[in-house]
Amino acid sequence: DFVMTQSPDSLAVSLGERATINCQSSQSVLYSSNNKNYLAWYQQKPGQPPKLLIYWASTRESGVPDRFSGSGSGTDFTLTISSLQAEDVAVYYCQQYYNTPRTFGQGTKLEIK
Amino acid sequence: EVQLVESGEHLVQPGGSLRLSCSASGFIFSSYWMTWVRQAPGKGLEWVANIKQDGSETYYVDSVKGRFTISRDNTKNSLYLRVSSLRADDTAVYYCARGGADWDWYLDLWGRGTLVTVSS
Repeated sequence: DFVMTQSPDSLAVSLGERATINCQSSQSVLYSSNNKNYLAWYQQKPGQPPKLLIYWASTRESGVPDRFSGSGSGTDFTLTISSLQAEDVAVYYCQQYYNTPRTFGQGTKLEIK
Repeated sequence: EVQLVESGEHLVQPGGSLRLSCSASGFIFSSYWMTWVRQAPGKGLEWVANIKQDGSETYYVDSVKGRFTISRDNTKNSLYLRVSSLRADDTAVYYCARGGADWDWYLDLWGRGTLVTVSS
């Protein structure tokens, strides 16, 4: 199974500052035939289901604010929130969909400093 | 409205069984891969199983193989998860989620989840 490891486990950032969350896969999720990274990012607020933010490692889902961005390739990926807003407090998960079973990272809890 | 709605809360004894349901509306259910994801209390997300549009392919995480069965009824726009031989560590919120149309990509639509509690 692909093991997804996120860092840090928790993060406190001041409002308006940048937040960066990392995700590392135990194996590459880059599919060579189409040059796509099979990686998604989700946001989960307390008491709510997860919400898709980013797919193909860097494509923003419709309606997601442009302060959210994804980058990386192969085994190392980053979710960046350029200017933290109060409503961004949540747990963030990466997930690979390259292989079955699909696997999630352990989650990163983002709080306001 | 495009949505997924899971069945209500469930309390079941260890070793017991039940069937979870997820009703889809607002989109062509039969065109999409579907997935179950669970989340134990205070824990992270765990992918459980998925099923192809016509039900011809199903996949499971190792921890539930032989105990859980995913199925769907496209005439009723419904997804199911039969869970059996339940253990305490199966206690979780179970979410149904929509995958892709061409293949099981990222999960772009989620239900609110159904709580399954395994306890005597």
